Amino acid sequence: QVQLQESGPRLLKPSETLSLTCSVSDGSVGRHYWSWIRQTPGKGFEWLGYIHHSGYRRYNLSLGSRVTMSVDTSQNLLSLTLNSVTAADTAVYYCARVNPSGTYVSGLTTSFDMWGLGTMVTVS
Amino acid sequence: EIVLTQSPATLSLSPGDRATLSCRASESIRSFLAWYQQKPGQAPRLLIYDASKRATGIPARFSGSGSGTDFTLTISSLEPEDFAVYYCQHRYNWPTFGQGTRLE
Repeated sequence: QVQLQESGPRLLKPSETLSLTCSVSDGSVGRHYWSWIRQTPGKGFEWLGYIHHSGYRRYNLSLGSRVTMSVDTSQNLLSLTLNSVTAADTAVYYCARVNPSGTYVSGLTTSFDMWGLGTMVTVS
Repeated sequence: EIVLTQSPATLSLSPGDRATLSCRASESIRSFLAWYQQKPGQAPRLLIYDASKRATGIPARFSGSGSGTDFTLTISSLEPEDFAVYYCQHRYNWPTFGQGTRLE
């Protein structure tokens, strides 16, 4: 089954840019919708956005213009960029596949069936 | 924003017991609810989607029910590996998660 693996810098200073990638093992990055999700002990899980190789993007409004996501089908990679980080962006960051099964709501199903292992990013 | 409230926060049971976990939405989300299991240091694992459909490879002892605002995850007979944290999640407008129930 598909495996997802996040990678990127683990320690950032305030105001720096967070850049993570997610490798998709089976080359299916162009066939699914994907999301980035983060988890903190205090706030729990926070969905960051959806992305599809077609150019579809939908971001969590709480992030404003700080967030950008992209897909590279030639490299089977997803990317997440978050600008002007603060301590509040300290979290475990996951990439996840939108479940291809289930009821579609506005073009997407409602759950995430495959998750990466997660990568801890600390802003300090 | 639709808020999901899970109860109880902690559930203390023994192997072989029946576990009943609750998730309540602040407004109707029809059947657009998923349940996940998370163990320490691991990613969440999808158990149930669309409120009652088991994900691929999930044992039959896991079942989900409910619609509208009240949902339940039931584990019919707890196995040792089932002790973990369980989260509900909806995507009626954008995805949000409950705060979790720790099954110990």
